[in-house]
Amino acid sequence: EDQVTQSPEALRLQEGESSSLNCSYTVSGLRGLFWYRQDPGKGPEFLFTLYSAGEEKEKERLKATLTKKESFLHITAPKPEDSATYLCAVQGGAGGTSYGKLTFGQGTILTVHP
Amino acid sequence: DTGVSQDPRHKITKRGQNVTFRCDPISEHNRLYWYRQTLGQGPEFLTYFQNEAQLEKSRLLSDRFSAERPKGSFSTLEIQRTEQGDSAMYLCASIGGEGDRIFGSGTRLTVV
Repeated sequence: EDQVTQSPEALRLQEGESSSLNCSYTVSGLRGLFWYRQDPGKGPEFLFTLYSAGEEKEKERLKATLTKKESFLHITAPKPEDSATYLCAVQGGAGGTSYGKLTFGQGTILTVHP
Repeated sequence: DTGVSQDPRHKITKRGQNVTFRCDPISEHNRLYWYRQTLGQGPEFLTYFQNEAQLEKSRLLSDRFSAERPKGSFSTLEIQRTEQGDSAMYLCASIGGEGDRIFGSGTRLTVV
């Protein structure tokens, strides 16, 4: 069974203080690792998909990296508007029967103070 | 279409009542998913449709839950005889050919 663990559960930063969020996973046949941002009362907003170890993707102040066991979401010089819950999810492919369903971690709640 | 649409946004119901939620995916997206999310947790997979065919159901989906996608466009999720444990955010997502998974804003269900 696919499993995803995110750490820390909550992270408080000062504006401009860079940091990283961790996503550790176990999956049979990784087909994709996904990062989402979720604001209170809203659905997850897609950020990145990573497919293989060594891959990196960037968007504004966010950069996602992937190894065979974990992914990191690096936040450079964050702003208060980056405050949200960040979710990591994996799509496994064991036996080709996953039909694309995602297994999510519990999320990291990021708060950026001005 | 600008995104995945879910209706209603909020639903309060008494224990034992039946409720139905609707999801309108992005047009031409042939794959549609339902997830459930409780406070402080990530979304959990419930069921998956490709066009009108329901191809996979989670063990979380008890026999009180039923989902349909009759014409391969919108989908409905019905919960019969609601229980307090059913209180959660119910999320719908659709996927296009490029693989981007787009979520709706969800339906917040409160069972009192």
